[in-house]
Amino acid sequence: GAVVSQHPSWVICKSGTSVKIECRSLDFQATTMFWYRQFPKQSLMLMATSNEGSKATYEQGVEKDKFLINHASLTLSTLTVTSAHPEDSSFYICSARDGGRETEAFFGQGTRLTVV
Amino acid sequence: GQNIDQPTEMTATEGAIVQINCTYQTSGFNGLFWYQQHAGEAPTFLSYNVLDGLEEKGRFSSFLSRSKGYSYLLLKELQMKDSASYLCAVGDNTDKLIFGTGTRLQVFP
Repeated sequence: GAVVSQHPSWVICKSGTSVKIECRSLDFQATTMFWYRQFPKQSLMLMATSNEGSKATYEQGVEKDKFLINHASLTLSTLTVTSAHPEDSSFYICSARDGGRETEAFFGQGTRLTVV
Repeated sequence: GQNIDQPTEMTATEGAIVQINCTYQTSGFNGLFWYQQHAGEAPTFLSYNVLDGLEEKGRFSSFLSRSKGYSYLLLKELQMKDSASYLCAVGDNTDKLIFGTGTRLQVFP
């Protein structure tokens, strides 16, 4: 089956620094990828839709200047958390579909971000 | 608006059957997905329904009624390893998957 790889699995950073998370589709091309955030014991909240070669589409309430998304190729999307603060500590997960809307979404392993 | 509801928590006994319900109201419908997620891990795909009726896959079955905006996931012969969160997700009229609140299932011996 299709594989989505996310890196790093976990990161600890100091408040005020920036962190980049990578999401790769390993055996298929993904013109669209999705970034989710998940707080403990809560469900996945869609942050933004990453579009290859164009600007990302952000969900309401998500700061586009804080969560920079770049989708420069058909197999790679990156999420950069800029000027991270402790409240940004969360589990970030990317996903992509190998096909149309009727197909399942494959998820990366997730990135546990802790801002200290 | 988008609204997907599931019970927050459920408990069951090993070997039993449990049904997790999901109701939804979304802008458009391109199928309903069920995912399993263990703590600290990414979700894994369980099932997909786009037409009304029951889809069976081993110990897991999923049912959909589009007219009622309702689905359920049925887990049979429960095992301890089935303790996890179960996420209901709906594909809307774009490419997005909108997730429900998730149901934490705890299986006791």
